[in-house]
Amino acid sequence: DTGVSQDPRHKITKRGQNVTFRCDPISEHNRLYWYRQTLGQGPEFLTYFQNEAQLEKSRLLSDRFSAERPKGSFSTLEIQRTEQGDSAMYLCASSLVERVLLFGPGTRLTVL
Amino acid sequence: GENVEQHPSTLSVQEGDSAVIKCTYSDSASNYFPWYKQELGKRPQLIIDIRSNVGEKKDQRIAVTLNKTAKHFSLHITETQPEDSAVYFCAARGNQFYFGTGTSLTVIP
Repeated sequence: DTGVSQDPRHKITKRGQNVTFRCDPISEHNRLYWYRQTLGQGPEFLTYFQNEAQLEKSRLLSDRFSAERPKGSFSTLEIQRTEQGDSAMYLCASSLVERVLLFGPGTRLTVL
Repeated sequence: GENVEQHPSTLSVQEGDSAVIKCTYSDSASNYFPWYKQELGKRPQLIIDIRSNVGEKKDQRIAVTLNKTAKHFSLHITETQPEDSAVYFCAARGNQFYFGTGTSLTVIP
């Protein structure tokens, strides 16, 4: 376990399709976060989990976005009916409560 | 929720000079302030952090200062080198992490 991993690293899809991304956090980390980053901007908070519980979801997040962390380990982020505005880098990060936040390499989504 | 503002958005310095990036936050409950460096196409990497019970922290050429009363914190890089060129993000943590909009630092050889 060398760090946070994400799969896939790149995803190209057509508008209207559904996509799902996976994040595997550092094994002992109980918090898992999803962020979205567009060019020239800082990471924008989407949602976070503590163990399997989703504790907060951004008010800016459309109903087309859903995230799960069923067993408190890996997490998935699904985007339904993708739009061109969803094109971005989706970053996953993990931490222990009150500890350092470490990022994964990200999944770059391109919606055509 | 928390609002983190970061200035400047771009910064160019001569190699060997110092660089300072400033951030302000709005939520007095925020208690932890990390700084990340992001190179093009790579993930943000933690470079230094400070907790709310500390006013200053230094790690070699990098230092961070925190003024809780004024709700601002700053990153200081001394003796800059070309490899310091990157985008730097500040963040504040209350319940979760909120990020600034980033500073693109260019160190001119």
